[in-house]
Amino acid sequence: GENVEQHPSTLSVQEGDSAVIKCTYSDSASNYFPWYKQELGKGPQLIIDIRSNVGEKKDQRIAVTLNKTAKHFSLHITETQPEDSAVYFCAASGGSQGNLIFGKGTKLSVKP
Amino acid sequence: NAGVTQTPKFQVLKTGQSMTLQCAQDMNHEYMSWYRQDPGMGLRLIHYSVGAGITDQGEVPNGYNVSRSTTEDFPLRLLSAAPSQTSVYFCASSYGDHSGDTQYFGPGTRLTVL
Repeated sequence: GENVEQHPSTLSVQEGDSAVIKCTYSDSASNYFPWYKQELGKGPQLIIDIRSNVGEKKDQRIAVTLNKTAKHFSLHITETQPEDSAVYFCAASGGSQGNLIFGKGTKLSVKP
Repeated sequence: NAGVTQTPKFQVLKTGQSMTLQCAQDMNHEYMSWYRQDPGMGLRLIHYSVGAGITDQGEVPNGYNVSRSTTEDFPLRLLSAAPSQTSVYFCASSYGDHSGDTQYFGPGTRLTVL
C-alpha cells in the first residue's frame, strides 16, 4: 500500500523567511496530493492541493511542487508570518489503496 | 452552515465501557470518514462511508463500528474501550470521492481510556 514520508518533523524559521516541507510517496499510481494545516485544538484544513497532471501550483504565499518521477512533493511558504505557525500534513491518494494516506506532520514555528 | 460538528469535545472512559462519538454535517456531502490522530502518527483512517447505508473499513478499523442511516450523520461506536484507543478522533466529509476531493474536518473529540 501507499506510504507517505514527511520531513522535517519540526521546523523553526524567523518571520519573513521561507519554509519548505518535503514529502515522498511510494505508490506511483497516486494522483492527488493535498496539504492540510492544523492549528492548535482544531481540525485540519486544506490549504492547497495538486494533481498528477500539474507540476506546480501557487496560491499567494503558498506553493506546492510535484516531481512524479522522483515521487516527491513539497510545500513552500514564503514571507512567513507568526500565524503560519501550525502543524502541516501532506497526503497522497488515488493509488491502489484508494484512501487518503497522511504523512506524520511537520510542526512549523515562525518566530517574530 | 455549521460545517462538520462533533460531540463530545472531551471524554474519559474506563476500560471496557462503550460510547458513541457523534458526527454531523450540513453540506449534503456523500462521503464521510473517521480518522484518529496519535502523536507522531499523523491521521489514520478508521472507517468511511460513500453514502447512506454504505460503509467500509479503513486502515485501523478494529474495535470500532460505524453506521450511516442518513446523509448527515455518521456515528462512531466503541463497543469495549481499551487504553490503546486513547486518541483524538476527527470526522471529515467531502462532496466527491474522499481520496480526491477536499475533506472538511470537524473540531475533533479527545478521548482518554483509563
